[in-house]
Amino acid sequence: QVQLVQSGAEVKKPGASVKVSCKASGYIFTNYDINWVRQAPGQGLEWMGWMDPRSGNTGFAQNFQGRVTMTKNTSITTAYMELSSLRSEDTAVYYCARGLSIAGRQPPRHWGQGTLVTVSS
Amino acid sequence: EIVLTQSPGTLSLSPGERVTLSCRASQSFSTRYLAWHQQKPGQAPRLLIYGTSSRATDIPDRFSGSGSGTDFTLTISRLEPEDFAVYYCQKYGSSGTFGQGTKVEIK
Repeated sequence: QVQLVQSGAEVKKPGASVKVSCKASGYIFTNYDINWVRQAPGQGLEWMGWMDPRSGNTGFAQNFQGRVTMTKNTSITTAYMELSSLRSEDTAVYYCARGLSIAGRQPPRHWGQGTLVTVSS
Repeated sequence: EIVLTQSPGTLSLSPGERVTLSCRASQSFSTRYLAWHQQKPGQAPRLLIYGTSSRATDIPDRFSGSGSGTDFTLTISRLEPEDFAVYYCQKYGSSGTFGQGTKVEIK
């Protein structure tokens, strides 16, 4: 079955960077986009961007342009999201999610368990 | 970027009632790119509807989606106890965004 297992919780200081990993299994890693979505405490969902694991192509929400990087290591079927210049407002649960189908840019269908990133001085 | 506005913010309803949730976009886009997700406390979201009206695998047929242009709707024909949750519309594709969510709570 499809599984996405994310790295553990992180505590970072303002101005630092965080890198969250997402280990995929149960399907062909390069066939489906990985989306990243975050959720601040008590708030709604915020779409961050997508990555095509085959090509490495990415697309980001305007809010994150210049501050987010999405990469992958195909040999270990793992996707990564790195967010830089962290501020307190970046405190959130970060989710990776696999797209619905092989066609690119599909809605998230399978979700990781989430990674809590806390930004605090 | 397209902005999605959901209404109402909260609905207080009883099991068995019919629910209609609204999602309005700041500009028109293809019905191919509208999805609905359900989220319960402490859980990751679950995809319900994609392409405006197609149900995802294992989603009961009491959930249906419709709409076009800038106005989209999620309908739950008869609320079951497990349907009390927060619902988000999402525009996906080369760029994406979520609405702010509608909470369906028990009256």
